[in-house]
Amino acid sequence: EIVLTQSPGTLSLSPGERATLSCRASQSVSSDYLVWYQQKPGQAPRLLIYGASIRATGIPDRFSGSGSGTDFTLTISRLEPEDLAVYYCQQYVILPLTFGGGTKVEIQ
Amino acid sequence: QLQLQESGPGLVMPSGTLSLTCTVSGGSISSSTDYWGWIRQPPGKGLEWIGSIYYSGSAYYNPSVKSRVTISVDTSTNQFSLRLSSVTAADAAVYYCARHREDSGYKYPFEYWGQGILVTVSS
Repeated sequence: EIVLTQSPGTLSLSPGERATLSCRASQSVSSDYLVWYQQKPGQAPRLLIYGASIRATGIPDRFSGSGSGTDFTLTISRLEPEDLAVYYCQQYVILPLTFGGGTKVEIQ
Repeated sequence: QLQLQESGPGLVMPSGTLSLTCTVSGGSISSSTDYWGWIRQPPGKGLEWIGSIYYSGSAYYNPSVKSRVTISVDTSTNQFSLRLSSVTAADAAVYYCARHREDSGYKYPFEYWGQGILVTVSS
C-alpha cells in the first residue's frame, strides 16, 4: 500500500499570502496519477488538480500542482477567504487507492 | 451533468450490516469508461477508499475491509450498492459514492461525488 503523508497538518495564513502544501509518498507514484482535492466544511471533496499539475474544470489559476516521484506540492498563490478547507492528495494508480491525511488551511 | 445520490439507513446496530445505495442520474452507469466507487470519512478524520465496481460487476476492494464488503451494480436502475457486514463503531462515517474512469488507457480520479450520507453505529 502506498502511504501518503501530508504536511503541515494545519496552515494558518492571511488573505493574499502564498500557501504551499506537501504530499510525500512512501514509494514512487507516477505523476500522471497524483491528485489533489479540496474539501470545504460540510461538503464532499472537490477535484482540484489531477495528473499532478492539471487543473480540473473551473478551478482558478491561483491553484497549481507540481512534483514527481515521491514529492508533490499544491500551491495556492494568493489565498482567498473561500480557500478555507482541508486539502487531500490521493494516488490512483496502485491498489488500494489511498489518500493523504489532509492539510487544513485556515484563513487568519 | 452527472449527479450521484447516496441513500440508506443512517443508523446501524453494532454487528449488523450497513447497506447503502448510490443512484446515478445524468448519465449511464453502463458507460464503458466509468468505475463507481465508495469512499468513507469518519467524523473529523480523513478519507478512505472502500472499493469500486465496473458495470459488468467486476469489483475491487480495499484489503482493510475486503472480508466484510460487497459492492454490487444494478444497470436496470442505474444504481450501485455497498454492503458492509459486522459493523463496529469504527465504521461510523460519512459514506460517499463517486465516479472515476479510465479512457484510452489513462486513468482519471474521482471527478463526481455524491453529497455523502452519515452512518452512525449504535444500539
